[in-house]
Amino acid sequence: GAGVSQSPSNKVTEKGKDVELRCDPISGHTALYWYRQSLGQGLEFLIYFQGNSAPDKSGLPSDRFSAERTGGSVSTLTIQRTQQEDSAVYLCASSLGLFTDTQYFGPGTRLTVL
Amino acid sequence: GQQLNQSPQSMFIQEGEDVSMNCTSSSIFNTWLWYKQDPGEGPVLLIALYKAGELTSNGRLTAQFGITRKDSFLNISASIPSDVGIYFCAGQATGGFKTIFGAGTRLFVKA
Repeated sequence: GAGVSQSPSNKVTEKGKDVELRCDPISGHTALYWYRQSLGQGLEFLIYFQGNSAPDKSGLPSDRFSAERTGGSVSTLTIQRTQQEDSAVYLCASSLGLFTDTQYFGPGTRLTVL
Repeated sequence: GQQLNQSPQSMFIQEGEDVSMNCTSSSIFNTWLWYKQDPGEGPVLLIALYKAGELTSNGRLTAQFGITRKDSFLNISASIPSDVGIYFCAGQATGGFKTIFGAGTRLFVKA
């Protein structure tokens, strides 16, 4: 596609449920990043992928968070047993190469945990 | 770890006024980026700076890469209502460090 797409655009879930957030990067971009943006805050780095591998998972807030990327393209961020503090906008970005190339962002998924 | 201090946190200005915001870091970056985020959207890249001292313009926007490589500023001239949004600075270091984002400057423009 022309840009990074994310789905769903909005997700409301109950505390304790699992959620899956999807990111479709720009075609040909090998690097993919997940960020979290809490209300009124900046961007918190969560995880990045180079191809299908995620060398640095240190940004994930807890072991309830996991992410995978298959086929070097689509990525899924999974949050298990959601908590209210997980409520935020989850942004995905992709770049041609890793880090030093400009990152292009998707519109985000707004997650609300009730 | 590396951190960026972005200021001001928010600005309320009149249409037509010029705006200036900046970011400082405790460590050196090789690349400075400025993004704008409209409500409900992801950040969009405005300007990328790759060399110390570099001054780059994009329409009414001008950004500079500080010569110490620890700071950058963004100026917006003759602001208009559609300039409203959150402006983020971001820095990238060498060695594959992740991109570090500032907390953002929220710009409000009154017509």
